[in-house]
Amino acid sequence: GEDVEQSLFLSVREGDSSVINCTYTDSSSTYLYWYKQEPGAGLQLLTYIFSNMDMKQDQRLTVLLNKKDKHLSLRIADTQTGDSAIYFCAESGPGGSYIPTFGRGTSLIVHP
Amino acid sequence: KAGVTQTPRYLIKTRGQQVTLSCSPISGHRSVSWYQQTPGQGLQFLFEYFSETQRNKGNFPGRFSGRQFSNSRSEMNVSTLELGDSALYLCASRDDRGGETQYFGPGTRLLVL
Repeated sequence: GEDVEQSLFLSVREGDSSVINCTYTDSSSTYLYWYKQEPGAGLQLLTYIFSNMDMKQDQRLTVLLNKKDKHLSLRIADTQTGDSAIYFCAESGPGGSYIPTFGRGTSLIVHP
Repeated sequence: KAGVTQTPRYLIKTRGQQVTLSCSPISGHRSVSWYQQTPGQGLQFLFEYFSETQRNKGNFPGRFSGRQFSNSRSEMNVSTLELGDSALYLCASRDDRGGETQYFGPGTRLLVL
């Protein structure tokens, strides 16, 4: 079945770039998402990319997709303490009737 | 547009009781999905409703059920609560007319004692 994997933790210094990585297994994935969850809150959609794209940039966020290796990454430039949160990678496609499959989340800790 | 809203935000129940959670999707969204989030299992899909019909279902026991009303609002019900049902229950809505992206509500945190 489909599986999405992420590393559990990432610690960076304020002002540095953060790169959160994700791998997925479903080759029929059409959409790949990044969500952010702050403590006690729901999931906030950060950005998404279609599977026919290689890259998408949105202000401080850059998403890179390597479809051959089924690897997705999220780069946050100039990381701030407010970026501290859990980041979820998710994929969806017709195989799952567009119901996203989520990774376990990466806890990003930004320290001064 | 207002976002996805969920009520109540927090709930404490005891084992054996039943609970009903409510979700109001973004205006115009007809698809509503429910997820359970726990530290141990992460985010798990419960079910999806579209036009008052259950369209997809995750791997949860029959104690978990849901429904959707004609205005797209949805409820989920958990009967005979168990300690392991303690979780954050998230609702997400989707346009489903060429928009595949889900937008999440803040969740209902359920504690079963």
